[in-house]
Amino acid sequence: KQEVTQIPAALSVPEGENLVLNCSFTDSAIYNLQWFRQDPGKGLTSLLLIQSSQREQTSGRLNASLDKSSGRSTLYIAASQPGDSATYLCAGGRIYNQGGKLIFGQGTELSVKP
Amino acid sequence: KAGVTQTPRYLIKTRGQQVTLSCSPISGHRSVSWYQQTPGQGLQFLFEYFSETQRNKGNFPGRFSGRQFSNSRSEMNVSTLELGDSALYLCASSEAQGFDEQFFGPGTRLTVL
Repeated sequence: KQEVTQIPAALSVPEGENLVLNCSFTDSAIYNLQWFRQDPGKGLTSLLLIQSSQREQTSGRLNASLDKSSGRSTLYIAASQPGDSATYLCAGGRIYNQGGKLIFGQGTELSVKP
Repeated sequence: KAGVTQTPRYLIKTRGQQVTLSCSPISGHRSVSWYQQTPGQGLQFLFEYFSETQRNKGNFPGRFSGRQFSNSRSEMNVSTLELGDSALYLCASSEAQGFDEQFFGPGTRLTVL
């Protein structure tokens, strides 16, 4: 069964702390891994995309890594800010039939306290 | 470039009715995917369209259907609405493939009473 798991389900940290969000997947056919942010009641904002041939991607205070052999990806957020509070979703891109689709984890709800 | 747009943003319907949701992808993007988001099931894939053809369909009943037009705009239709269809429906576009980098719209919040 294709499955993407995110740990922890919720996380509360004080402002300024560095933190790591975890994502694991059981499907070795995952083609790439994308991290999203979702604010309450809103759509998804793409943060980082890691292709299967890559090990990591960086954007500002965010760094995402991908280890296909172990089925794991991590999102590292440096110097967290209250504005980082949101739900973070990882999604594995899978080639499917003649196209593809994303398989999502359940998300990690992050709260950064001032 | 303008982002992915979805209309309407909010809908309230009653059981048994049908509904049509619309999605305009980012200019130049040819693949449009639809996802349903609920608190219990999370985000689930509905279908993917490319060049007016449905390439993939998720595990949803036949009441859920969609189409794509020659300008890549897409619509999804849900007939005979059930209470369980209440959800946030998200549309995503990508350049060519449903597993490429996806850009999501703001979603349509459907409430079925």
